[in-house]
Amino acid sequence: EIVLTQSPVTLSLSPGERATLSCRASQSVSSSYLAWYQQKPGQAPKVLIYGASSRATGIPDRFSGSGSGTDFTLTISRLEPEDCAVYYCQQYGGSPPCSFGQGTKLEIK
Amino acid sequence: QLQLQESGPGLVKPSETLSLTCTVSGGSISSSSYYWGWIRQPPGKGLEWIGSIYYSGSTSYNASLNSRVTISVDTSKNQFSLKLNSVTAADTAVYYCTRQASHYFDYWGQGTLVTVSS
Repeated sequence: EIVLTQSPVTLSLSPGERATLSCRASQSVSSSYLAWYQQKPGQAPKVLIYGASSRATGIPDRFSGSGSGTDFTLTISRLEPEDCAVYYCQQYGGSPPCSFGQGTKLEIK
Repeated sequence: QLQLQESGPGLVKPSETLSLTCTVSGGSISSSSYYWGWIRQPPGKGLEWIGSIYYSGSTSYNASLNSRVTISVDTSKNQFSLKLNSVTAADTAVYYCTRQASHYFDYWGQGTLVTVSS
């Protein structure tokens, strides 16, 4: 079973700063099969990044993804107040076929 | 613009069967490019993939729920459905239907809260 562990659990930063969110897999994950989502309170998650580094349609270039193997990173440069949300990583292709990390809560001061 | 909408009872009794339907509009569920999936989120917790289905009826389930889950598709109605039997309080969650593009979920319904309680 592939377990995704996200860190930190909570991140508190100021507008304009850079956020670095980590997702570590218990086994190697194909880069093609790693995605990141943003979920705001009361809303469904929204895909930000797929294939580890490809931005989804309409996602600002402040959001970028990187990594391979077992270590992946979501970077948000120049934080804005509306970036306040919970961020999840997700893998597909392992066992179980799909799983999510437990989430990182990003707070904007 | 593709839209997904969940429907079904918001309250289910313990040991009974949870049944939800997702209606897809603005696109065809028979597209060869996509799978269609269910994901749930217990209140205040993270996301759990339940399973996915292709328009042909081919399915893939989360092994932790496998024995209790059935996902089906009705291409004539552009809908797919979830049945989860023998529910307990642990199955209380917001249930989302999704479109699965390759290996990620690019469209989501708004979600529907299902509470398991007597």
